[in-house]
Amino acid sequence: EVQLLESGGGLVQPGGSLRLSCAASGFTFSSYSMSWVRQAPGKGLEWVSFINSNGGTTYFADSVKGRFTISRDNSKSTLYLQMTSLRVEDTAVYYCAKGATWPPHFDYWGQGTLLTVSS
Amino acid sequence: EIVLTQSPATLSLSPGERATLSCRASQGVSSYLAWYQQKPGQAPRLLIYDASNRATGIPARFSGSGSGTDFTLSISRLEPEDFAVYYCQQRSNWPLTFGGGTKVEIK
Repeated sequence: EVQLLESGGGLVQPGGSLRLSCAASGFTFSSYSMSWVRQAPGKGLEWVSFINSNGGTTYFADSVKGRFTISRDNSKSTLYLQMTSLRVEDTAVYYCAKGATWPPHFDYWGQGTLLTVSS
Repeated sequence: EIVLTQSPATLSLSPGERATLSCRASQGVSSYLAWYQQKPGQAPRLLIYDASNRATGIPARFSGSGSGTDFTLSISRLEPEDFAVYYCQQRSNWPLTFGGGTKVEIK
């Protein structure tokens, strides 16, 4: 059974930093691309970042480019999102999602972790 | 950036009725369009990929059609568990984008 378990969310002040993690199991993690998708409270879905299977290719939404970094440790089956210079508008539930194709649609999602950016 | 516009924003229907949801792209996305269902407090679930292919375990009452700029998600007979928010997503161009969602509510 595919499982994606996000962690690392919490309350951060504007300008702060945080790292999210996503632990994967039930599939060969190193063979699939992964993405982060976020959802602000009461709003729709927004794709944030993509990383290919070996970590050599990454993409970012313009809204986070230069502030967020995506990485993965295939030996640990774990995906990361390093977030810096956080803004109030980054407040959202952050989902990790497994890519099913290239470019991806997403066949499995984690339950999400909530990031709140507030003073 | 490809903008996906979903309509209507809200669809009020009764169980057993047919639901027809629309997703229009600002430029052609070929057949690279997916549909997701999201219930309150839950993660999205993949329903349809590449416009018309049902994902694993998705009931046959869900169907997708379209290509280019106009796409439709149909639910033949609404079951109580189908009342939720539905999103489309394109994978034709970066950045990947989602539509704003259609809420299917009980009338």
